Amino acid sequence: AQSVSQHNHHVILSEAASLELGCNYSYGGTVNLFWYVQYPGQHLQLLLKYFSGDPLVKGIKGFEAEFIKSKFSFNLRKPSVQWSDTAEYFCAVNTKAAGNKLTFGGGTRVLVKP
Amino acid sequence: GAVVSQHPSRVICKSGTSVKIECRSLDFQATTMFWYRQFPKKSLMLMATSNEGSKATYEQGVEKDKFLINHASLTLSTLTVTSAHPEDSSFYICSARDGGSSYNEQFFGPGTRLTVL
Repeated sequence: AQSVSQHNHHVILSEAASLELGCNYSYGGTVNLFWYVQYPGQHLQLLLKYFSGDPLVKGIKGFEAEFIKSKFSFNLRKPSVQWSDTAEYFCAVNTKAAGNKLTFGGGTRVLVKP
Repeated sequence: GAVVSQHPSRVICKSGTSVKIECRSLDFQATTMFWYRQFPKKSLMLMATSNEGSKATYEQGVEKDKFLINHASLTLSTLTVTSAHPEDSSFYICSARDGGSSYNEQFFGPGTRLTVL
């Protein structure tokens, strides 16, 4: 069965700092990978996704993620965060074998101090 | 873009009553919809997968008689929490997959916060 782990539960940083959130998955076959963001009081929004091709994926709001197959990782990065990036971030994976059901990581709560 | 709505956004009910939550895909046909539950400060837990015109598939540990799911059309799925109890209080989120898209992307609704007194 597929599973996803996010290493950091809470991250606190200052504006303009760089952000990297770790995500590792366990599944030996082909995966689709996603990062979602949930701003306070809002619904989940897709930041970016990887299905195939270039392992460096660029998403909305200046976010990017890199798929490293050998490490089973899909870490999320942003070079310079803003206060408005305060949110909870979820990594997710789906596979054809699991009926394309999304499996979410535990989430990382990011607080950006102004 | 693909929009998914949920109604109601908040509901408070008495213990023992039933509550129905609707999930609609507004601008696309959703052959598959998913229902999740999110506990405070926790991740999303998939409850069931709902396919239009067929019975829902429930995840292990989810009571199908308690959480009734109906996917009567390509744009509407409903979740009914029957005989609700305080432990059912949670944030319920639906998502829908665009049947016309070649990508396996799910679009999420805004969620429904259920409080059972």
